[in-house]
Amino acid sequence: RKEVEQDPGPFNVPEGATVAFNCTYSNSASQSFFWYRQDCRKEPKLLMSVYSSGNEDGRFTAQLNRASQYISLLIRDSKLSDSATYLCVVNGNNNNDMRFGAGTRLTVKP
Amino acid sequence: DGGITQSPKYLFRKEGQNVTLSCEQNLNHDAMYWYRQDPGQGLRLIYYSQIVNDFQKGDIAEGYSVSREKKESFPLTVTSAQKNPTAFYLCASSSSGTSAPGELFFGEGSRLTVL
Repeated sequence: RKEVEQDPGPFNVPEGATVAFNCTYSNSASQSFFWYRQDCRKEPKLLMSVYSSGNEDGRFTAQLNRASQYISLLIRDSKLSDSATYLCVVNGNNNNDMRFGAGTRLTVKP
Repeated sequence: DGGITQSPKYLFRKEGQNVTLSCEQNLNHDAMYWYRQDPGQGLRLIYYSQIVNDFQKGDIAEGYSVSREKKESFPLTVTSAQKNPTAFYLCASSSSGTSAPGELFFGEGSRLTVL
């Protein structure tokens, strides 16, 4: 089993739709969780951290379920500019050993 | 402006040659990382360093070497022993050092093609 697993997609949604991604992780000791966004042929950039109580940033909501070992990202009112690959990141055994999922590709269409 | 700089952006290499990718940061970050990304795949950790003069192997360290002689610099050498070196290489840094992890800041990447 991979340490961090994501549905690769692609997710093709119309503008204005709500879309959700899940990410499962295998290390029950993991403490830090993030969602990154990566545009085509560019470097990843932090979208948001994921806190135990869940957190929201505008149209984006992140949640953590420790019991089932997954995190989720919800995007409301999708924009064309949301089209990208979304990477789930979880720390491994070491606090600085950051593990990436393969990414979920999202395409928002007019 | 503060940031992380990788060079070269594009590099072509003949089989059997070693090549060194540069990574410099002026963010005063303790931790630095090298990742490799292949098409349709996530980032895989090659090496990381939590502090000067210390570094740890990641999942795919074979065929690669690094050094961390200065806080701001973490060069990666792709040796001839690396069987499939063609890939997109990403360097990152974070302020966490040996404490809790923080945001990773990435360079723009180096795209290596072996001919």
